[in-house]
Amino acid sequence: EAGVTQSPTHLIKTRGQQATLRCSPISGHTSVYWYQQALGLGLQFLLWYDEGEERNRGNFPPRFSGRQFPNYSSELNVNALELEDSALYLCASHGRGSYEQYFGPGTRLTVT
Amino acid sequence: ELKVEQNPLFLSMQEGKNYTIYCNYSTTSDRLYWYRQDPGKSLESLFVLLSNGAVKQEGRLMASLDTKARLSTLHITAAVHDLSATYFCAVRGGADGLTFGKGTHLIIQP
Repeated sequence: EAGVTQSPTHLIKTRGQQATLRCSPISGHTSVYWYQQALGLGLQFLLWYDEGEERNRGNFPPRFSGRQFPNYSSELNVNALELEDSALYLCASHGRGSYEQYFGPGTRLTVT
Repeated sequence: ELKVEQNPLFLSMQEGKNYTIYCNYSTTSDRLYWYRQDPGKSLESLFVLLSNGAVKQEGRLMASLDTKARLSTLHITAAVHDLSATYFCAVRGGADGLTFGKGTHLIIQP
């Protein structure tokens, strides 16, 4: 069974640009979570999508947004990039009735 | 607001020794997770603890949960170098997103 996949692996953007990160959950999983792991700030919950809807978001500004597609894959968009957005962005998925959250390999975003 | 505190944040130990990492959380939760992260890598799930008194073991790692004390422990028995990594505990808040501790950076020296 394939795990959670994320693309791209690395992304370099300049301040003010937009970044788009993608995540494909494990087959059969309907929930996708996004987390940010920034140096000095630890792992923070960003967004939760389930069945195509945004169910909750963490304490992040509206320029962090995303969506979930009918095939349950997800996209995270970060607009008006700031230097402090540089981080490892992790996606996780879990299936209905399961307690586990399985993490993908992450996308490392660097903002210069 | 849910807070998760791990200690110690940094631990250097010798092979063959035993040690325990502690994870305290501030509000009631029904799930506690332990993850391992190697440098530059993603998170690997170690344990999910669901009920008071739950104990799970895998190899040299054993995790336990005391929901009344809001405390989980990760015990390492007879440490080996391969266990060097950063270990995170995480607690599910009300909105399903996990709240993580700051992580324990563990170095095991020969």
